[in-house]
Amino acid sequence: DTEVTQTPKHLVMGMTNKKSLKCEQHMGHRAMYWYKQKAKKPPELMFVYSYEKLSINESVPSRFSPECPNSSLLNLHLHALQPEDSALYLCASSQDQYSNQPQHFGDGTRLSIL
Amino acid sequence: AQKVTQAQTEISVVEKEDVTLDCVYETRDTTYYLFWYKQPPSGELVFLIRRNSFDEQNEISGRYSWNFQKSTSSFNFTITASQVVDSAVYFCALKYTGANSKLTFGKGITLSVRP
Repeated sequence: DTEVTQTPKHLVMGMTNKKSLKCEQHMGHRAMYWYKQKAKKPPELMFVYSYEKLSINESVPSRFSPECPNSSLLNLHLHALQPEDSALYLCASSQDQYSNQPQHFGDGTRLSIL
Repeated sequence: AQKVTQAQTEISVVEKEDVTLDCVYETRDTTYYLFWYKQPPSGELVFLIRRNSFDEQNEISGRYSWNFQKSTSSFNFTITASQVVDSAVYFCALKYTGANSKLTFGKGITLSVRP
């Protein structure tokens, strides 16, 4: 079982909907990440939170809005998404952003935009 | 600039064959970290191994072994006596230690192990 829990596992939404993806870890990690992965491609980094502050935003469109309410939780708020945003969204955590400790990934949320 | 090259895109073997997955990296940093991840069809990326740039010891874990050679900037992964459960996409990744430190992934290698 993964130690990073993502909900929901699957999400289908229309382009005008608002939804949120959730990620939780209880390993005491202080860095959390959102990745987007299209089929047959490597994960692409979207956001990094370090000690609950946004550290990296990889020029992600504003229709994706991250939030880190506390050190264990990471949300990704979605609004007015486009069909090309359909993908697997992966959350990860690591001890901290700069050390050699590996990132641990969740199972992901498979998002489909109609 | 950081770059990871996994030149093999798809490999198909028969069960019990040995298979080597290649990874070549580029970085100007003297301190960096290399990782291998496995992604089965379920989607989760599973961490397999980490290597620090200053530690060139090879490692063996059961049927898995890794060969790190700084002279050729390679970090290859060998599966001995492959099994159907080894079928997955395997990613090699590089992380540098500077500001905006993040993982750089290779494109991944799809390994299919046939019974």
